[in-house]
Amino acid sequence: DIVLTQSPGTLSLSPGERATLSCRASRGLTSTYLAWYQQKPGQAPRLLIYDASSRATGIPGRFSGSGSGTDFTLTISRLEPEDFAVYYCQQYGSSPWTFGQGTKVEIK
Amino acid sequence: QVQLVQSGAEVKQPGASVKISCKASGYTFTSYYIHWVRQAPGQGLQWMGVVDPNGGSTSYAEKFQGRVTMTRDTSTSTVYMELSSLRSDDTAVYYCARVRCSGGGCYREAMDVWGQGTTLTVSS
Repeated sequence: DIVLTQSPGTLSLSPGERATLSCRASRGLTSTYLAWYQQKPGQAPRLLIYDASSRATGIPGRFSGSGSGTDFTLTISRLEPEDFAVYYCQQYGSSPWTFGQGTKVEIK
Repeated sequence: QVQLVQSGAEVKQPGASVKISCKASGYTFTSYYIHWVRQAPGQGLQWMGVVDPNGGSTSYAEKFQGRVTMTRDTSTSTVYMELSSLRSDDTAVYYCARVRCSGGGCYREAMDVWGQGTTLTVSS
């Protein structure tokens, strides 16, 4: 199975700051089959980024994804109050699909 | 609008089985794969498997092989996930989720529409 390791575990930032979240795969992904999701307490995950760098429908431009192979990044250019949440990466190139353990972005 | 509506919370005893439903609306049911993902309390997301509503074929995570069955009913646009031999560590929120694009070429795809989640509690 492909193991996805996210870092840091927790990111403490203020609104308006830039957030950089990392996702590292235990082996290179098939193509760029990587997604990022946002989850708030009591809610289902929400798709932000698919195919490593494509924004999902309705996702603001401050969210961007990059990377290939084993190293991927989600960047939030300027944090808005509603962006404080847990973020998960997920690979869907090799079965079983797997998720990272999550990065919590909290208000500093 | 496109949505997935799941059945309500369940409480089961260890050793029992549970069957959770996920009713799709607002799109062509047979055109989009549906996955099941679970989340234990305070934990991350865990992929369980996927079902093709068109032909009914499935693929399960090895961890759940032999205990999980995913089926669909095209007449009601509903997919089901049945988990047997329940244990306390099966206590979790279970989500169904639709892939982002339609057709057989969309097997490897992210999940863009999620159900609201079904809470399963396994306790004696």
